[in-house]
Amino acid sequence: DQQVKQNSPSLSVQEGRISILNCDYTNSMFDYFLWYKKYPAEGPTFLISISSIKDKNEDGRFTVFLNKSAKHLSLHIVPSQPGDSAVYFCAASGSGGSYIPTFGRGTSLIVHP
Amino acid sequence: DSGVTQTPKHLITATGQRVTLRCSPRSGDLSVYWYQQSLDQGLQFLIQYYNGEERAKGNILERFSAQQFPDLHSELNLSSLELGDSALYFCASSDTGTAYNEQFFGPGTRLTVL
Repeated sequence: DQQVKQNSPSLSVQEGRISILNCDYTNSMFDYFLWYKKYPAEGPTFLISISSIKDKNEDGRFTVFLNKSAKHLSLHIVPSQPGDSAVYFCAASGSGGSYIPTFGRGTSLIVHP
Repeated sequence: DSGVTQTPKHLITATGQRVTLRCSPRSGDLSVYWYQQSLDQGLQFLIQYYNGEERAKGNILERFSAQQFPDLHSELNLSSLELGDSALYFCASSDTGTAYNEQFFGPGTRLTVL
């Protein structure tokens, strides 16, 4: 049973527009959420995180929104750039359950010039 | 460059064989995590070591084992290999053993079992 779901395997966006990547989770014990970006032939790299005490965290062009009641988080990239083309993984962890991050299957983002 | 190194990058072997994957964490990081990524799957957590001791176990098969050495590098041993073990194996490290910090991933070892 997937506790972290990224229901869109892929997303295609035009350069300069907003990219919105979504993630849903089922375990209410999760209280820390991370996004990782992965380029081909490389390992995932940390992008941004958010604690459950917040509903928004911003870092440059990247913003993560958390809706705890809906058990949903989203990553917004504005403006999108061709270099953002990668696979994005959502991960969740929590002190109440296993603190090891549980990863989603990833969303492949393609940003067209 | 994350500072985490993994060797080898690619490994091709036959069913029934045994292989060892190696990981060197970032300088100063005490925690090492191993993940498996099969085709179109997310990263499946296998096992974590913290300062030489096993800290947490995930969906790791009994045919798989790992250890972390005094110099903090780690090895993942996969034995009696099956076709389904073909996957990308990632090692990650972090400076603590808790969840509230980012992990730094190596480039992965691609294992192909024929």
